[in-house]
Amino acid sequence: AQSVTQLDSQVPVFEEAPVELRCNYSSSVSVYLFWYVQYPNQGLQLLLKYLSGSTLVESINGFEAEFNKSQTSFHLRKPSVHISDTAEYFCAVSVTGGFKTIFGAGTRLFVKA
Amino acid sequence: DVKVTQSSRYLVKRTGEKVFLECVQDMDHENMFWYRQDPGLGLRLIYFSYDVKMKEKGDIPEGYSVSREKKERFSLILESASTNQTSMYLCASSPPGTGVYEQYFGPGTRLTVT
Repeated sequence: AQSVTQLDSQVPVFEEAPVELRCNYSSSVSVYLFWYVQYPNQGLQLLLKYLSGSTLVESINGFEAEFNKSQTSFHLRKPSVHISDTAEYFCAVSVTGGFKTIFGAGTRLFVKA
Repeated sequence: DVKVTQSSRYLVKRTGEKVFLECVQDMDHENMFWYRQDPGLGLRLIYFSYDVKMKEKGDIPEGYSVSREKKERFSLILESASTNQTSMYLCASSPPGTGVYEQYFGPGTRLTVT
């Protein structure tokens, strides 16, 4: 079975500072990895995903995540955050041949002026 | 633009009532999902469906049932609502496949059972 652990429930950070949201997963088979973002009063939307190939994946709004197989991690980073990045971020994992996606508990990113 | 819609954003029901939550997607997706979202617990899968009239239990199906009579519509039913079912309910859909596709989510229904 797969599991996902998001190591921080809340991350407060000042505007223009860098941020890292940590995600570790557990699986005995190869996985696909996702980061979703949920803005206040909205559903989740895909931020970025790792399927195969380059271990560094990027989103259109400046976030990036690196798949590290040896450490079973998929941490999300942004070098300079904006107020508008305030949201809850979910790390998720799925496997080949499976219907289910397993979500982490979420990390609330709060960007302060 | 892809779209998943849910019938209500906010719903207040009394204990013991039968509750219907409706979800419609316009992307012709085979897979549809119902989750509940609670603080500190993330998303937990209640039921999913990979085709019309097909359904599979997720991780927390107790107290819930589902119906999928048409491809675009997936309904979640609370047979007899209880206060511990107060939560945010999220519907999602995805193309058929083997886990590689992302899910597309609706805006959620915040259900309060009093």
